[in-house]
Amino acid sequence: DGGITQSPKYLFRKEGQNVTLSCEQNLNHDAMYWYRQDPGQGLRLIYYSQIVNDFQKGDIAEGYSVSREKKESFPLTVTSAQKNPTAFYLCASSIGTWSYEQYFGPGTRLTVT
Amino acid sequence: AQSVTQPDIHITVSEGASLELRCNYSYGATPYLFWYVQSPGQGLQLLLKYFSGDTLVQGIKGFEAEFKRSQSSFNLRKPSVHWSDAAEYFCAVGASQAGTALIFGKGTTLSVSS
Repeated sequence: DGGITQSPKYLFRKEGQNVTLSCEQNLNHDAMYWYRQDPGQGLRLIYYSQIVNDFQKGDIAEGYSVSREKKESFPLTVTSAQKNPTAFYLCASSIGTWSYEQYFGPGTRLTVT
Repeated sequence: AQSVTQPDIHITVSEGASLELRCNYSYGATPYLFWYVQSPGQGLQLLLKYFSGDTLVQGIKGFEAEFKRSQSSFNLRKPSVHWSDAAEYFCAVGASQAGTALIFGKGTTLSVSS
């Protein structure tokens, strides 16, 4: 079955450590996205990539970094510079630059103490 | 810039009763509009979408939504709610200033009482 996988489901880190969240899709989609979700805040865009080897900052990119070396993969690194990293992180993909219809992974809950 | 407002943070509906969740958007041209549903701790599932054409769109799980340009609204409806519909619902609009990213409302939590 095609879909988006995110791992791990739960992630715990100590403050000051960088952590990388995985996102893989086998939908053959060109575009991929990372959103952050906090209670009562909806989803906010961190980074997006419309093609391999290219990505753009979203509304809340500070303290985060991404790479897009393969079409299928769009990992997100939460760096120690992110002031409040504890959140639910969602990865999504869409067919291409002309499509707004996005498919979401199951999410990763990151807790930093 | 585009924006989405969901005026109701939390709604409680009796099982079997009808449901309407409100969504208002701000966008200059014809928007691309979506409703997603999220169960606790899960990802988002697309319920329905509007791109153009018929302003009443049908989605999965018996949901429908109506696009009203004059009111800048895209309200979600269901004639008879089931206990399994309890979840968080998000309205979203295509954000042309960020590739094909979406701008989301803050969500409405639906509780279903028996």
